[in-house]
Amino acid sequence: GAVVSQHPSRVICKSGTSVKIECRSLDFQATTMFWYRQFPKQSLMLMATSNEGSKATYEQGVEKDKFLINHASLTLSTLTVTSAHPEDSSFYICSASFQHGAFFGPGTRLTVL
Amino acid sequence: AQRVTQPEKLLSVFKGAPVELKCNYSYSGSPELFWYVQYSRQRLQLLLRHISRESIKGFTADLNKGETSFHLKKPFAQEEDSAMYYCALSDSSNTGKLIFGQGTTLQVKP
Repeated sequence: GAVVSQHPSRVICKSGTSVKIECRSLDFQATTMFWYRQFPKQSLMLMATSNEGSKATYEQGVEKDKFLINHASLTLSTLTVTSAHPEDSSFYICSASFQHGAFFGPGTRLTVL
Repeated sequence: AQRVTQPEKLLSVFKGAPVELKCNYSYSGSPELFWYVQYSRQRLQLLLRHISRESIKGFTADLNKGETSFHLKKPFAQEEDSAMYYCALSDSSNTGKLIFGQGTTLQVKP
């Protein structure tokens, strides 16, 4: 199946700094990608839909100014966590859609000290 | 509102026993339902989808619109089936947007 990569796989940062996470579709073009957040032993919570060439669509309760999403090309979407705080520590997962399903990246573990 | 409910957080069975992971959904239109699996230290991957009516790794799932359910079944569990299973719903807009259930950990004991 198609491959979706994420970089970095894990990142530790200080409170107040910004962190950028990349999501790439390696062998197909993805006009739409999705960003999820997963807390330990809990489900994936959809944060936003990343649309190539246009603004992202955020789910209710997700701050768009805090979680900046850019989808500048058909193979790359980035999520920037701005002014990160310890409560932003989580596992962030991206996915790229295809007909009748999605491929998921391996996830990025963010720890904010 | 769209919602997926997996009532069991943990399901523990012995090898060779039948398995049924429950999933109920709430959706006003015609949803597409999926089961995703996450093995230890691996990424989430698609197990099966209702539209293809396939059997993957011995698992099957039938969409029951009357009961709004999409339970995952396997007649004889194997130890390698131990994983986290997520039921997911995609809306009719066909964007690939998925709403996930809470997940059920399946533990198959030897």
